[in-house]
Amino acid sequence: SSALTQDPAVSVALGQTVRITCQGDSLINYLANWYQQKPGQAPVVVIYGASNRHSGIPDRFSGSSSGDTASLTITGAQAEDEADYYCDSRDSSGDHVFGSGTKVTVL
Amino acid sequence: QVQLQESGPGLVKPSETLSLTCTVSGVSIRSFYWGWIRQPAGKGLEWIGSIYASGNTKYNPSLKTRVTMSVDTSMNHFSLKLDSVTAADTAVYFCARLWYNYGGAWWFGPWGQGTLVTVSS
Repeated sequence: SSALTQDPAVSVALGQTVRITCQGDSLINYLANWYQQKPGQAPVVVIYGASNRHSGIPDRFSGSSSGDTASLTITGAQAEDEADYYCDSRDSSGDHVFGSGTKVTVL
Repeated sequence: QVQLQESGPGLVKPSETLSLTCTVSGVSIRSFYWGWIRQPAGKGLEWIGSIYASGNTKYNPSLKTRVTMSVDTSMNHFSLKLDSVTAADTAVYFCARLWYNYGGAWWFGPWGQGTLVTVSS
């Protein structure tokens, strides 16, 4: 299955904007999803189908995609947004693949 | 409200079979897709496999020879078996519902809380 690459860590000042990217060949043809995982908790879907915000997710989270790269943007980051974020997608074989994860620190 | 709960032994000996069950509440398991994902301590998520209520399965190629997934609609649960485990299989194991839409998106949610399985003698 195809790999999805994410930056290991990013930091953002409280109230500022941060963009997390996910890069992989499968994203040219298949849609990415984004999950938020806080320590000791199960992941929660934030964005599905590249740009659809899941029910109950604040509108400061948005997703986009271009070519082989998907992006998750947090506009006006809050302290509670500090977490690990994972992208995933299906590939041409019908397999699912997760990105390596990005740790977001809110300063 | 859909809820998923993993259950099974927390300790498995090397070379033996890991067996977990995911009990679903709030929705019938019929007509939906379900999946298993694992996460070693301090590491990322790894898709193990997915199953449809009819029993059709799709497994991660790297685990395919050792994985078996099944569904029991009468009990409203689905199960995972992983054969010949080693220490590398020590992880938190999550079950989740797998959604799809006509736009071509496939995503996991909600997830169970996860269960830690340690492979050790």
